[in-house]
Amino acid sequence: NAGVTQTPKFRILKIGQSMTLQCTQDMNHNYMYWYRQDPGMGLKLIYYSVGAGITDKGEVPNGYNVSRSTTEDFPLRLELAAPSQTSVYFCASSLGGRLDNEQFFGPGTRLTVL
Amino acid sequence: GIQVEQSPPDLILQEGANSTLRCNFSDSVNNLQWFHQNPWGQLINLFYIPSGTKQNGRLSATTVATERYSLLYISSSQTTDSGVYFCAVVNSGYALNFGKGTSLLVTP
Repeated sequence: NAGVTQTPKFRILKIGQSMTLQCTQDMNHNYMYWYRQDPGMGLKLIYYSVGAGITDKGEVPNGYNVSRSTTEDFPLRLELAAPSQTSVYFCASSLGGRLDNEQFFGPGTRLTVL
Repeated sequence: GIQVEQSPPDLILQEGANSTLRCNFSDSVNNLQWFHQNPWGQLINLFYIPSGTKQNGRLSATTVATERYSLLYISSSQTTDSGVYFCAVVNSGYALNFGKGTSLLVTP
């Protein structure tokens, strides 16, 4: 199993550009998440999904969109990139449910907006 | 929302020393995880431990849910243990709420 994979690893955007961060998991997990990590801080939840076709906002959703058309994929879309979106983005997945919700993280995408 | 506080914020150890990292949380939790973020930025799962005690090699963790704290023990530390250790909890909903981490440096 590759686990959770993310592409690209690094990206530099200009203000106002758009991009999609890709996330794929091969663990047949139901739940998937997008977090961002700003320097010197823990992670904050952007969006999450409890299954294909179901998404919901987390703590910091402004400026982002997501979709979940398959169990495996959970792309994150940035529209009109701003310097405040410079961060490291982590995708995660978990089996789901209250009794077993250990989350597993991808390697991250380091995004700089100039 | 739930507050997660980790201590100490920074720690410098000599190789071979032992250490204890603490995580306090302000409300009941459904999930508690410990992570190691290595110098390359990868988040490595250490323990999934909403309650009880677990051991994995030189590392062990204990969560006392009724008293709202968790401890991570590192014994015989190695330079490869350097990095940031995060405690993260789920209180309600699905999001992991992260503490600010303990930055550990192990020197030869």
